[in-house]
Amino acid sequence: AQSVTQPDIHITVSEGASLELRCNYSYGATPYLFWYVQSPGQGLQLLLKYFSGDTLVQGIKGFEAEFKRSQSSFNLRKPSVHWSDAAEYFCAVGLGGSQGNLIFGKGTKLSVKP
Amino acid sequence: EAGVVQSPRYKIIEKKQPVAFWCNPISGHNTLYWYLQNLGQGPELLIRYENEEAVDDSQLPKDRFSAERLKGVDSTLKIQPAELGDSAVYLCASSLAHPRDTQYFGPGTRLTVL
Repeated sequence: AQSVTQPDIHITVSEGASLELRCNYSYGATPYLFWYVQSPGQGLQLLLKYFSGDTLVQGIKGFEAEFKRSQSSFNLRKPSVHWSDAAEYFCAVGLGGSQGNLIFGKGTKLSVKP
Repeated sequence: EAGVVQSPRYKIIEKKQPVAFWCNPISGHNTLYWYLQNLGQGPELLIRYENEEAVDDSQLPKDRFSAERLKGVDSTLKIQPAELGDSAVYLCASSLAHPRDTQYFGPGTRLTVL
């Protein structure tokens, strides 16, 4: 069965430090992969998505993610974290190679120290 | 452009009472999704509409949950009667078309059942 694993429940980084959030998936075919961010009291906002092609994907707010097929991973990165990045981050897989019927991971909560 | 609108944002009810959530999708979006998000978890799909037709309701607990999307625009999700375990955030999302287009999420309704 398809699944998404985000191994880190909670991460704390200092403002200005680099960030990497891990995501591993289990899916037989070529996946569609997504990262969403959820701020308190807000809905989920799409940061970036991967369908095919260049395995390094650029998103909004300075985020990027790299698809590594050999590791079944789609890790999210940011070179310098801002206090406003504190939120919960969700990785998702689109079933059937599509954007529909998303399977989400359990999320990683990011805290930012001043 | 207005995003996905949901109301109410918060609801507190006694167990066994009925409750309803309302969602107005982005104008022109034919596909509407209802998700359930339990504390510490990612969203899970409950039902998907294509215009006014419920095309995927396999995860909807039909003994107590119902949904409708009259005229293919806004939608209502109902629980009757509510149970303690229904306490969660109910998210609505919409997209232009399933499965190729990005899903846009509303802020959600946080339900507390006492």
